[in-house]
Amino acid sequence: QLQLQESGPGLVKPSETLSLTCTVSGGSVRSTSYYWGWVRQPPGKGLEWIGSVYYGGGSTFYNPSLKSRITISLDTSKNQFSLKLSSVTAADTAIYYCARDRMRWNFDYWGLGTLVTVSS
Amino acid sequence: QSALTQPAAVSGSPGQSITISCTGTSNDVGNYNHVSWYQQHPGKAPKLIIYEGDKRPSGVSNRFSGSKSGNTASLTISGLQAEDEADYYCCSYAGSDTFLLFGGGTKLTVL
Repeated sequence: QLQLQESGPGLVKPSETLSLTCTVSGGSVRSTSYYWGWVRQPPGKGLEWIGSVYYGGGSTFYNPSLKSRITISLDTSKNQFSLKLSSVTAADTAIYYCARDRMRWNFDYWGLGTLVTVSS
Repeated sequence: QSALTQPAAVSGSPGQSITISCTGTSNDVGNYNHVSWYQQHPGKAPKLIIYEGDKRPSGVSNRFSGSKSGNTASLTISGLQAEDEADYYCCSYAGSDTFLLFGGGTKLTVL
């Protein structure tokens, strides 16, 4: 059974870089059948797609509204993928989810989510 | 690009059917067969319940169905049950510049 687990600091200071990792078990990030993505949800608000990464060709797909601040990458040796979001503000406070996309632009497996608060 | 438009809230009694709409544009919902729906209970991760417009993942009840007409996708839940009370989000592919858009979410209350 595929499982995804987010990890990283729960508190980040304004203007700093948010860094999260998603550890995948029961499957491989090197699969050429899936994208691996990040979705966030501000407290009490809706979902926002952040971006996705694909092992095949090393492709990345980013939300244009966040593109200048985000980097999503794979670490195949650890079977993980990661998110870096720079120059954070309070508006980046959210639950961050990692998820698997079957290359059909829908997410069939999700992590439990991790709350990241941006505050000094 | 703006999020897809969903009603903020819908309600229904047990056993009834409800429909949640998701309105986009010809650049997203109207142009691609990649509309998905997610159910989210409080404090939980979203769960995929419909993909590619009208397909159900294995294990999802056949009380959930999806459809599309023009720029509007719809999720219908028949035979409402108390456990269906949750937030529902639509999502659509929007081309190779925008990629993926979510709706604002709809809170379903089972009366």
